[in-house]
Amino acid sequence: DAGVIQSPRHEVTEMGQEVTLRCKPISGHDYLFWYRQTMMRGLELLIYFNNNVPIDDSGMPEDRFSAKMPNASFSTLKIQPSEPRDSAVYFCASSSLAGVQEQYFGPGTRLTVT
Amino acid sequence: LAKTTQPISMDSYEGQEVNITCSHNNIATNDYITWYQQFPSQGPRFIIQGYKTKVTNEVASLFIPADRKSSTLSLPRVSLSDTAVYYCLVAVYNNNDMRFGAGTRLTVKP
Repeated sequence: DAGVIQSPRHEVTEMGQEVTLRCKPISGHDYLFWYRQTMMRGLELLIYFNNNVPIDDSGMPEDRFSAKMPNASFSTLKIQPSEPRDSAVYFCASSSLAGVQEQYFGPGTRLTVT
Repeated sequence: LAKTTQPISMDSYEGQEVNITCSHNNIATNDYITWYQQFPSQGPRFIIQGYKTKVTNEVASLFIPADRKSSTLSLPRVSLSDTAVYYCLVAVYNNNDMRFGAGTRLTVKP
């Protein structure tokens, strides 16, 4: 398996623009997670899905952030409008089944908002 | 979710054994202890997971005392490539909601 795939790997955009980050989880995994990492706040869980259904979005910063999972093999994290404070590395991870399972992280998308 | 406390940073030398201790005083009966490793510019990677006593795999060992209020990740004979941030997490069984703390930044020197 290719592992968790994220695109783009790097994104530079101007304040106010819409940004869409994409993730393809490992085939067969039931859970998908979106994290954000910054020097100041560390690694934060934004939202996670189980069988394509959002389970907990309490980590989503504000209404400018939205996430979808239209099918088992694809998820998006959208920021509209983007702000400089959204600059961070965004990771997608997936895992299988319930229980305390190992999460597999993607390579991340480094977002810079100017 | 149980709160975890671990040292901010540690230094070691190649070939030494490194022990990183994590405190989780309010761990619940159904909680498991999991450790992740993160290299610069990469996502975290699962290292090891345990519930009690000792767990060992090809990468590390995890020691958990009877009261489970702490755990120790042991890395045998570290090399320069073990320089990374190590995260201790406590997660409830049947719940994938895990929260990463600040982690321990391990620097291995030649």
